[in-house]
Amino acid sequence: SAVISQKPSRDICQRGTSLTIQCQVDSQVTMMFWYRQQPGQSLTLIATANQGSEATYESGFVIDKFPISRPNLTFSTLTVSNMSPEDSSIYLCSVDTGSYGYTFGSGTRLTVV
Amino acid sequence: SQQGEEDPQALSIQEGENATMNCSYKTSINNLQWYRQNSGRGLVHLILIRSNEREKHSGRLRVTLDTSKKSSSLLITASRAADTASYFCATGPQRYNQGGKLIFGQGTELSVKP
Repeated sequence: SAVISQKPSRDICQRGTSLTIQCQVDSQVTMMFWYRQQPGQSLTLIATANQGSEATYESGFVIDKFPISRPNLTFSTLTVSNMSPEDSSIYLCSVDTGSYGYTFGSGTRLTVV
Repeated sequence: SQQGEEDPQALSIQEGENATMNCSYKTSINNLQWYRQNSGRGLVHLILIRSNEREKHSGRLRVTLDTSKKSSSLLITASRAADTASYFCATGPQRYNQGGKLIFGQGTELSVKP
């Protein structure tokens, strides 16, 4: 199965600023997925990132708020823009490893003050 | 949106007891997966069961799938304090063109007391 390096692991940010989260995979993958986990909640898919094309966003999530880059088959970034306290969550990236299920990054715990 | 419900939402047991968590889902699936999350960190894949399978084992884990009832259960036998975590079921889409995304249940918070 794949190994994902996600960073930063946590950050405390001022409202109105932006934070970029990075995920590096140790193998080439077609799709990468970005999830948000609000405090005490389950995971909600933000978007699917494909290399060479625009990311596909789920209902309730927009590119201006969560721009995604996917410059190659092993790397992706998610930016949380113009942050407010409501954006305080854990953000996770993941990839599909087939029969082994999905591999997740260790998560970025974001607190907006 | 969440795929379905998990119950119980929270479960507290003693070490050595068995823990059973249930998951229901709404749409047709290709597979159902279970994950564990410790203290809000990244998720760890536990087991995957395909829609044409009814039961699967992995160590102390036993998963069942009933596609007619759109439900699954995860049994952890002889639980240990280290099993304390949140457990999530997640469904994979029936059709590949749905993007391969996983849809998660609400999760069960398991506490195993020594």
